[in-house]
This record gives sequence, C-alpha cells and structure tokens, in this order.
Amino acid sequence: DVVLTQTPSILSATIGQSVSISCRSSQSLLDSDGNTYLYWFLQRPGQSPQRLIYLVSNLGSGVPNRFSGSGSGTDFTLKISGVEAEDLGVYYCMQATHAPWTFGGGTKLELK
Amino acid sequence: QVQLKESGPVLVQASETLSLTCTVSGFSLTNYGVIWVRQPPGKGLEWMGIIWRNGNTDYNSALKSRLSINRDTSKSQVFLKMNSLQTDDTAIYYCTREFVYWGQGVMVTVSS
Repeated sequence: DVVLTQTPSILSATIGQSVSISCRSSQSLLDSDGNTYLYWFLQRPGQSPQRLIYLVSNLGSGVPNRFSGSGSGTDFTLKISGVEAEDLGVYYCMQATHAPWTFGGGTKLELK
Repeated sequence: QVQLKESGPVLVQASETLSLTCTVSGFSLTNYGVIWVRQPPGKGLEWMGIIWRNGNTDYNSALKSRLSINRDTSKSQVFLKMNSLQTDDTAIYYCTREFVYWGQGVMVTVSS
C-alpha cells in the first residue's frame, strides 16, 4: 500500500501567519492517465472532513483562496497564506492513484 | 441540496455483522459514486470502499474479505455490510459523495 507521510504532525501558528504542510508518498502518484490523484482535507473538531484541494492544486468549491496546493510525483505541499481561526483542525492528504486509496496520518493545526 | 445520512446500530457485538445505510438526496446514485470512510476514536481516516455510479465496487484490500457495499437506486440508499467485527472496528463511519459531500457520520462501538 502507498504510505503518505505528513509533516509536521502538529503545527502551532498565530492568526495571520502563513504555514505549510508536507505530504510525501512512498510511490509516485502520477497516474497513467496523466492525472495525479492527491487531495487535501480539513477536519474541524467534531465535524466531518471537508475537501480543500483536488488533483494536487485545484481549489474545492467555496474554499478560500488562502489555501493552495502544489507538488508532483512523491512530494506535495499544502500552504495556508494567513491562518484564520476557522482553519484550526486536522489536515489530511489522501491519494487515489493506487488501490487501496490511503490517507496521511494527519497534521493538527493549533493556535500558538 | 445534496445530503447524505448514515444510519445503523450504535452498538454491535464482536463477531457479528455490521449493517449501515447511507441515504442520499439531491442527486442520483447512477450519476455519482459513494464512498465509505471510517475513523477510529482519536485516530486518522481509512478508506473502506466505493460503489461507482455504474454499480461496480472496489474495496480496501485489508477489509475486502469482510466487506460488501451495495445499493438500491430506487430508494437512494447505499448499504455497507461488514462481518466478523472486532473491537478495533469501533469507529465513526462516514459515507461521502466522491469526497465532496459528506454525511455526519455514525459512531459504531463493537463490544466484546
């Protein structure tokens, strides 16, 4: 199975600070169809996950543009340009290139 | 609007079979796939399986021998059945429409 390693596991930030989360894959996530099926989700406390980013860098509907995704192959990054209070929670990357689809272990974003 | 809602027993005995229903509204199951994801208390997300719009299914290989996903398109319902439950199957079980729309989840506890 593909292993996604997220770093850091805990991220402390102040409101307005820009932060990045890394997601590294044990295999390339480039599919034979040319797409890279790498997603980012935010799970706020007590809530269901919310999709933020799809196909590495595409912003989900209604997602603020302070979120951005980048990367290729095995290395991916989620950046938040100016953390807001509503951004606190656990972030997960997920790959759907290789079966079984797998999630990273999560990065908890908390207030410093 | 698009909605998904999971339902089923909150307490199941070990070795028994879990049966959950995801009732959807606002879209047709013949147009979108529905995915099951679970989350043990305080832990990360695990992809369980998907029923595609054409009715085909794919399962996490770790669960494949115990898991089945079916649907009734006329009732807009997707069904998850998993047998031989163990205490480590205790989790919140979510259904999601292709990771964009999510149900609220149902907490299932497996008792020994």
